[in-house]
Amino acid sequence: EAAVTQSPRNKVAVTGGKVTLSCNQTNNHNNMYWYRQDTGHGLRLIHYSYGAGSTEKGDIPDGYKASRPSQENFSLILELATPSQTSVYFCASGDATGKDNYAEQFFGPGTRLTVL
Amino acid sequence: AQSVTQPDARVTVSEGASLQLRCKYSYFGTPYLFWYVQYPRQGLQLLLKYYPGDPVVQGVNGFEAEFSKSNSSFHLRKASVHWSDWAVYFCAVTPYQGGRALIFGTGTTVSVSP
Repeated sequence: EAAVTQSPRNKVAVTGGKVTLSCNQTNNHNNMYWYRQDTGHGLRLIHYSYGAGSTEKGDIPDGYKASRPSQENFSLILELATPSQTSVYFCASGDATGKDNYAEQFFGPGTRLTVL
Repeated sequence: AQSVTQPDARVTVSEGASLQLRCKYSYFGTPYLFWYVQYPRQGLQLLLKYYPGDPVVQGVNGFEAEFSKSNSSFHLRKASVHWSDWAVYFCAVTPYQGGRALIFGTGTTVSVSP
């Protein structure tokens, strides 16, 4: 069964430390996305990718970098973590395929990050 | 700018009662609209999706939604709520054909009372 997995599921980091969140998909989708979920904001787009080697800034990219080394893997990197980055992070994959030509997105289970 | 508004942060319904969750969108052009559900400590799962055509779309678990271009709305309905429907529901829009990221509303938490 096609799936999106994320690791770690929970992470506690210190302010100023480096954090890497990993995402793997077996959907063979070209597009992958990183969102963060905060109360009162819903999900907001941080970075996305159209394929291996590409990354694009989303709506709230400041403080985050992304890396897409392969079709299957998409990482979110916090070089200098801050308490304001405490959140739940979701990865998703999707493609514009099929007769309707729109992209349904499939989400991973989320990573809960706490920055102290 | 494109946006999605879910005016109700929390809704409490009795088991067996009907449910309607409101969603208003702002978008110039042809929207593709979605309802996702998030069960406790899980990721988001697709409930249903709308693309230009029949304004009433059916989803999983007895959910349906109705698109209204004149009202810029995409409200979600269920005739009889079950305790397992206790979750957070997100409305989302994607601005373009072809794989652009989703724009989400802030979500509505549905609590089910016995």
